[in-house]
Amino acid sequence: GAVVSQHPSRVICKSGTSVKIECRSLDFQATTMFWYRQFPKKSLMLMATSNEGSKATYEQGVEKDKFLINHASLTLSTLTVTSAHPEDSSFYICSAVPGGADTQYFGPGTRLTVL
Amino acid sequence: GQQVMQIPQYQHVQEGEDFTTYCNSSTTLSNIQWYKQRPGGHPVFLIQLVKSGEVKKQKRLTFQFGEAKKNSSLHITATQTTDVGTYFCAGPGGGSQGNLIFGKGTKLSVKP
Repeated sequence: GAVVSQHPSRVICKSGTSVKIECRSLDFQATTMFWYRQFPKKSLMLMATSNEGSKATYEQGVEKDKFLINHASLTLSTLTVTSAHPEDSSFYICSAVPGGADTQYFGPGTRLTVL
Repeated sequence: GQQVMQIPQYQHVQEGEDFTTYCNSSTTLSNIQWYKQRPGGHPVFLIQLVKSGEVKKQKRLTFQFGEAKKNSSLHITATQTTDVGTYFCAGPGGGSQGNLIFGKGTKLSVKP
């Protein structure tokens, strides 16, 4: 149980384009999902907290207009990297928390490369 | 702001040797969680410690939460090549939404 999927697993795009990443909790409902960014050989940096039916809460230094988060249902959150630039290249990982729990279950991550 | 520090950053051991990673928080934690990330993979939840001085074991892994609830350790006895990966500790980041503050992780490599 507690499986989280992410799609796509890998994406390469041109600078200036937008990329949407989906995070789905497959066998549970998640009122809260988190989006992290991980640089090579670095720890996970929390970008934002996504709450179903409300606006996401962004961490300091994360541009909300650049990283659009939508949590449309209890099983799906999306992160859209708008007008991507090479410095946005990174590993993006989502996690989801089953209702009533405080354990995060992580998706497999999305490797974004912006050329 | 709140910080979670983890040492060492890297640890290379011979298979069969023990391994320990230490985690320290700048603030008292209500709980601490440990995750393992295999190379190329995503973090996988290992355990959560809640009580002061708590010790939990998972086979060869021993997790400890300090009395002051500001530090924690993960000890692996007789490492195996399957233990390779990066071990992260994480504590609650504050607020009501359950976000976590991760340590920088300890990357373990095991030489057969």
